[in-house]
Amino acid sequence: EPEVTQTPSHQVTQMGQEVILRCVPISNHLYFYWYRQILGQKVEFLVSFYNNEISEKSEIFDDQFSVERPDGSNFTLKIRSTKLEDSAMYFCASLGQTGKESSGNTIYFGEGSWLTVV
Amino acid sequence: GDSVTQMEGPVTLSEEAFLTINCTYTATGYPSLFWYVQYPGEGLQLLLKATKADDKGSNKGFEATYRKETTSFHLEKGSVQVSDSAVYFCALTTYSSASKIIFGSGTRLSIRP
Repeated sequence: EPEVTQTPSHQVTQMGQEVILRCVPISNHLYFYWYRQILGQKVEFLVSFYNNEISEKSEIFDDQFSVERPDGSNFTLKIRSTKLEDSAMYFCASLGQTGKESSGNTIYFGEGSWLTVV
Repeated sequence: GDSVTQMEGPVTLSEEAFLTINCTYTATGYPSLFWYVQYPGEGLQLLLKATKADDKGSNKGFEATYRKETTSFHLEKGSVQVSDSAVYFCALTTYSSASKIIFGSGTRLSIRP
């Protein structure tokens, strides 16, 4: 079973600090995403990334956020100066046909990174 | 724009009851449809999917049929268990918005022993 891995699983940070969340997407996938879920709420789209550039971003994804694929395997989300309202679960996902799929694309999510801003 | 609408929760059922969670969608193009499940304190897991009209996705006793005529993808299970208690999300991707997954708001399911 293909797997998207995320680190850290949980991070506590002080308001105003920079945070980097890391993701290793499935190796032959083409599209990468970050989503967030504030506790008990819906899963919200942040940004998508294709061909080494942002393909779409939401209103949530303001100048405090950035994404990078520094080495062809990792996919990172950086929050420059965290705010209390950034506390959420952040999910990385990747999309693309894998060798085991009979048809269509499947999106796989990582286990998520809990970010708590205090 | 493309969107997914799910029945509002929470849904509370007794063990062995029949489950239906309604999901309808609006999309241009031909979406792939998914159900994801989130168990308490965990991440999102793909439960099942369907990529074209009349396809039936199934997994762990859950089923959903892609109905293009009614733009629906309702989730069903014949006999639920306490372990099925979770939040269920309906979702879609389309080629017109291939860069994004669109989620419904989620339906919380609680099963009483």
